[in-house]
Amino acid sequence: QKEVEQDPGPLSVPEGAIVSLNCTYSNSAFQYFMWYRQYSRKGPELLMYTYSSGNKEDGRFTAQVDKSSKYISLFIRDSQPSDSATYLCAMSITGTASKLTFGTGTRLQVTL
Amino acid sequence: DAGITQSPRHKVTETGTPVTLRCHQTENHRYMYWYRQDPGHGLRLIHYSYGVKDTDKGEVSDGYSVSRSKTEDFLLTLESATSSQTSVYFCAIQGEFYGYTFGSGTRLTVV
Repeated sequence: QKEVEQDPGPLSVPEGAIVSLNCTYSNSAFQYFMWYRQYSRKGPELLMYTYSSGNKEDGRFTAQVDKSSKYISLFIRDSQPSDSATYLCAMSITGTASKLTFGTGTRLQVTL
Repeated sequence: DAGITQSPRHKVTETGTPVTLRCHQTENHRYMYWYRQDPGHGLRLIHYSYGVKDTDKGEVSDGYSVSRSKTEDFLLTLESATSSQTSVYFCAIQGEFYGYTFGSGTRLTVV
């Protein structure tokens, strides 16, 4: 069993929909949680970062962490075609000098 | 990708040949990482470095070596390339902020 599980999708939604992306993990030592967005043939780019449990909001994006359930989520409101990409969750035990463990990524397609 | 470049962007090589991929940063960050990305496996850590001449193995290090003789350069060498090493390779740097900045990747095909 992988340390981090993520549904690969693809997930197809109409423009304007609310998107929910999720990851589960097994290592209770993880403290730092991130979401990366990766466009086709590009490197991943950091989208959201959260420490420990709780919510964090940045524009149309909200990241949630529930450490008791070992479950993290990324919500995208008012989804746009430009949000079409693969979304990777990642997590680590430490902050700086941290080796990240990634989910396999969920491919999202936002249609007009 | 601001401050980090990978070369080459694409490479086709033959089985059994050595291959070196280069990661160059202009951010003066201490921490550098090499990952490979494969369908169904996501990003997996090959090797990482916490400073000049300070490197260590990740989860999929067999068949790979690294060197870091300068802060700005982190080299990944496939000692004798095999078809199972066909992949997209990403370098990442990490500063004091917790997230990584990734390069654009090197697409390597071993035939």
